[in-house]
Amino acid sequence: RKEVEQDPGPFNVPEGATVAFNCTYSNSASQSFFWYRQDCRKEPKLLMSVYSSGNEDGRFTAQLNRASQYISLLIRDSKLSDSATYLCVVNHASPHSGNTPLVFGKGTRLSVIA
Amino acid sequence: DGGITQSPKYLFRKEGQNVTLSCEQNLNHDAMYWYRQDPGQGLRLIYYSQIVNDFQKGDIAEGYSVSREKKESFPLTVTSAQKNPTAFYLCASRSRGTGYEKLFFGSGTQLSVL
Repeated sequence: RKEVEQDPGPFNVPEGATVAFNCTYSNSASQSFFWYRQDCRKEPKLLMSVYSSGNEDGRFTAQLNRASQYISLLIRDSKLSDSATYLCVVNHASPHSGNTPLVFGKGTRLSVIA
Repeated sequence: DGGITQSPKYLFRKEGQNVTLSCEQNLNHDAMYWYRQDPGQGLRLIYYSQIVNDFQKGDIAEGYSVSREKKESFPLTVTSAQKNPTAFYLCASRSRGTGYEKLFFGSGTQLSVL
């Protein structure tokens, strides 16, 4: 089983639609979780950290389900500018144990269509 | 402004040639990372360093070498032993803390073989 798995898509959705991505992770000891956004041939940029209680930032909502070992990202009222690849990122390390590398999923591609 | 700088943006390598990709950060971060990204793929870890004068192999270290003589700098050499070097290379850095610290990326280097 891969460490971090995502549906590669592409997800083609009309403007204004709501779209959700899931990501599963294999290491039950994983401690912190993130969604990054990457545009074509650009560096990834942090979209949201994912906390146990779930968190929301405008049109974006992230959820964590530790029992089932998955995280999700919900985008409401999709905009053309949301078109990008969304990377699920997991940190296996325990807090204060240093900066062991984050593990990246392969990403889910989203195209928002006018 | 603090940040992480990669150079060059584009690099061409001839057969049998070693090339070095530069990565410099002025964020005072302890940890630095090198990732490789192939088209349609996620980020794969090449090498990382958690402290000056120390570094560890990642998942795909063969054919690459690094050094960490200064906190600010983490250059990556792609050696002639790397038979398929064409890819997008991303350098990143991160501070030590709770595990939720943001990963800062450089803008990437596209390496191609002539």
